[in-house]
Amino acid sequence: NAGVTQTPKFRVLKTGQSMTLLCAQDMNHEYMYWYRQDPGMGLRLIHYSVGEGTTAKGEVPDGYNVSRLKKQNFLLGLESAAPSQTSVYFCASSKTGNNYGYTFGSGTRLTVV
Amino acid sequence: GNSVTQMEGPVTLSEEAFLTINCTYTATGYPSLFWYVQYPGEGLQLLLKATKADDKGSNKGFEATYRKETTSFHLEKGSVQVSDSAVYFCALTQNSGGSNYKLTFGKGTLLTVNP
Repeated sequence: NAGVTQTPKFRVLKTGQSMTLLCAQDMNHEYMYWYRQDPGMGLRLIHYSVGEGTTAKGEVPDGYNVSRLKKQNFLLGLESAAPSQTSVYFCASSKTGNNYGYTFGSGTRLTVV
Repeated sequence: GNSVTQMEGPVTLSEEAFLTINCTYTATGYPSLFWYVQYPGEGLQLLLKATKADDKGSNKGFEATYRKETTSFHLEKGSVQVSDSAVYFCALTQNSGGSNYKLTFGKGTLLTVNP
């Protein structure tokens, strides 16, 4: 009954370092998403995927890359972290169609110093 | 494009008070509407939804009615509890076109309920 699992939960990076955030879902959902949440900004879509092997840019894709090599996993990469990428990152997944809503992970709090 | 506007918080209420959080939207076609709740330190959870005009979504004592004529989806609860303290997000997905799987969120409303 895991749903959407994100790892790690917390991370501190130095400017210029790289890292990968992992997202795994066990619900056989086709669609997966990465959002960032910042105070006063709500949630903003970074990248999304409509199926294995496909990815697309969202609202704020710069500085991030993603991969969906397996249906159940969606990876978010930061190649050269910047302080502006300090945020809470949420992964979500959904069935096809617009009536089901999303299932969210519990988030990764990333601080870039 | 699509957009969601919800009342700015924070909203502070006493236990057993009546709650309304306003939400209005802009969208072409026929969106589906959602309310999500985020408890401290957690991810977002789907609270309720409505997929067509005049539908009422309800869950855990919360209700919202899809009003197409006023493009609104206001969240209400008759008697709030301390445990309802959280951030509430209104959101929509478009019901047509190739991008109907992407949620558009409002900025969230922080609710604090005092005993």
